[in-house]
Amino acid sequence: EPEVTQTPSHQVTQMGQEVILRCVPISNHLYFYWYRQILGQKVEFLVSFYNNEISEKSEIFDDQFSVERPDGSNFTLKIRSTKLEDSAMYFCASSEGLGGYEQYFGPGTRLTVT
Amino acid sequence: RKEVEQDPGPFNVPEGATVAFNCTYSNSASQSFFWYRQDCRKEPKLLMSVYSSGNEDGRFTAQLNRASQYISLLIRDSKLSDSATYLCVVMSMEYGNKLVFGAGTILRVKS
Repeated sequence: EPEVTQTPSHQVTQMGQEVILRCVPISNHLYFYWYRQILGQKVEFLVSFYNNEISEKSEIFDDQFSVERPDGSNFTLKIRSTKLEDSAMYFCASSEGLGGYEQYFGPGTRLTVT
Repeated sequence: RKEVEQDPGPFNVPEGATVAFNCTYSNSASQSFFWYRQDCRKEPKLLMSVYSSGNEDGRFTAQLNRASQYISLLIRDSKLSDSATYLCVVMSMEYGNKLVFGAGTILRVKS
């Protein structure tokens, strides 16, 4: 069964450093997403991406964040200058289409900012 | 008012019990509805989509009441492996394709 994969599974970084989280969506999916979950809190939407551009972003997704599809398979989330409050699980998801199409999540990257 | 509200639980039930979870959502423009389950420190896994006519998948039954903006999930014959957090999720095309998650309901099934 096809699945979304993410690397690394755990990333530890110092405040102010840049991090890049990587995702490989399901191969025939066209829509890609990043969500995050701070420990003990609910899952929150960050950004959606289609046809090489951002289609929607949340208030959380400020200028410190960027996304890219550098090739035909990878989808990345970059945080330019990490803050302590960026510590969270970051989940990548993908879907075949819009509307009622289901989104499938990767296993997540645990980001710890010290 | 929270966009998606769920009773956090925990619901502690014996194996074989039937348990029901409810969820309400505030955005009447919401168009698609889902239940996900999440195990501790893992990703949300899609359990089922929820349709206006109601739908069933094995031991799981989901119902949607658009007029009341209410979604439910019924689990019959609970198994130990059903222990998880159940996430009520809504989506509105008005806001792109983003999923809005409830905080989840914890289920613990005990032998």
